[in-house]
Amino acid sequence: GENVEQHPSTLSVQEGDSAVIKCTYSDSASNYFPWYKQELGKGPQLIIDIRSNVGEKKDQRIAVTLNKTAKHFSLHITETQPEDSAVYFCAAPVASDYKLSFGAGTTVTVRA
Amino acid sequence: NAGVMQNPRHLVRRRGQEARLRCSPMKGHSHVYWYRQLPEEGLKFMVYLQKENIIDESGMPKERFSAEFPKEGPSILRIQQVVRGDSAAYFCASSPQDPGQGVVTYGYTFGSGTRLTVV
Repeated sequence: GENVEQHPSTLSVQEGDSAVIKCTYSDSASNYFPWYKQELGKGPQLIIDIRSNVGEKKDQRIAVTLNKTAKHFSLHITETQPEDSAVYFCAAPVASDYKLSFGAGTTVTVRA
Repeated sequence: NAGVMQNPRHLVRRRGQEARLRCSPMKGHSHVYWYRQLPEEGLKFMVYLQKENIIDESGMPKERFSAEFPKEGPSILRIQQVVRGDSAAYFCASSPQDPGQGVVTYGYTFGSGTRLTVV
């Protein structure tokens, strides 16, 4: 099965509202959890990451939380704007410190 | 400082032809990773290379696919005798560090990808 599961697959929010995307992982040895944003026709861009020694990290309107016991981590986007519309991927290392397993992605649409 | 450069951006091949995808890592990076993204799916690891050395090709299909990263020039992902199922976006990423230091600690820098369409 998949090493990283991501939910929901699609998310539509009103501009100004918050968006939350959740991921679970299976490899308890994973210690690094990045989030990527992919706009149409472009490559994934790292937007925020978190390491296993912290439970939360924030960067302006974006935050990530990590629960190592439950093996899940979440992306929170506050005060969403139309430019936040994109596909978001979570990822975690699998069986190495260089190979990432990606979630299936969440298509976020921010309605004006 | 240019990022990871991939070319071509779009590639159309007929079934049975060969596809060559090129990736030039960021300046100073000597480690290259190839990932494949099928429509509506996340990225799947294919291969990890250093200069003149394949480190991990566990994600590569056993047949028709090969990769190299020569001493000089870009990394090449080669797909022989392409089939419709090879249609996907192929992304390259690079990093500067030896994996013993935990390369993912630095995060990947991805290129813009090559979108292969097999007709």
